[in-house]
Amino acid sequence: EIVMTQSPATLSVSPGERATLSCRASQSVSSNLAWYQQKPGQAPRLLIYGASTRATGIPARFSGSGSGTEFTLTISSLQSEDFAVYYCQQYNTLYTFGQGTKLEIK
Amino acid sequence: EVQLVESGGGLVQPGRSLRLSCAASGFTFDDYAMHWVRQAPGKGLEWVSGISWNSGSIGYADSVKGRFTISRDNAKNSLYLQMNSLRAEDTALYYCAKDMSETLFAANADYWGQGTLVTVSS
Repeated sequence: EIVMTQSPATLSVSPGERATLSCRASQSVSSNLAWYQQKPGQAPRLLIYGASTRATGIPARFSGSGSGTEFTLTISSLQSEDFAVYYCQQYNTLYTFGQGTKLEIK
Repeated sequence: EVQLVESGGGLVQPGRSLRLSCAASGFTFDDYAMHWVRQAPGKGLEWVSGISWNSGSIGYADSVKGRFTISRDNAKNSLYLQMNSLRAEDTALYYCAKDMSETLFAANADYWGQGTLVTVSS
């Protein structure tokens, strides 16, 4: 099973600043990686797929990068609505999610 | 607009069975693979099972293999999850999710329902 490890578990950032979230795979997943945002009481929302392609309707301040085993989600200028939990997911071999990074207001 | 509406959750005793349903609309259902993903209270996301557009390819997480069965009825635009021999650790919110591809293990989910809660307890 491919294990996905996200860091940090919690990230405290001020509105307007940049946030950088990391995701590491236990073995290569090529570019078969997605990022999801989840707010309390809501279903996950797809942000990024193919490691770097923004999903429909996702603002340009969200960007994804990486391939193989190391991936990054960057939010360039945090808005109030961006504070949430973020999950990475690989779909190269079955499907596994990271444990999530909680992005909170500093 | 893509809509996925889950139903069938509830309180069930350990060892018993439950069948979840997901009604899909707003897209051509038989063009896409579908998934069940669960989230235990206060925990992260766990993929449970997936099925290709024509039911030709099916996959399960090790944690549910042999106990859960996924199926779909393309004529009814519906996805199902038959859950047998339920355990306390199966307690979770179960989401139905649409894949971006017609096959499994080729893409990720892009739309999710709001989930149906399954509680396994005596």
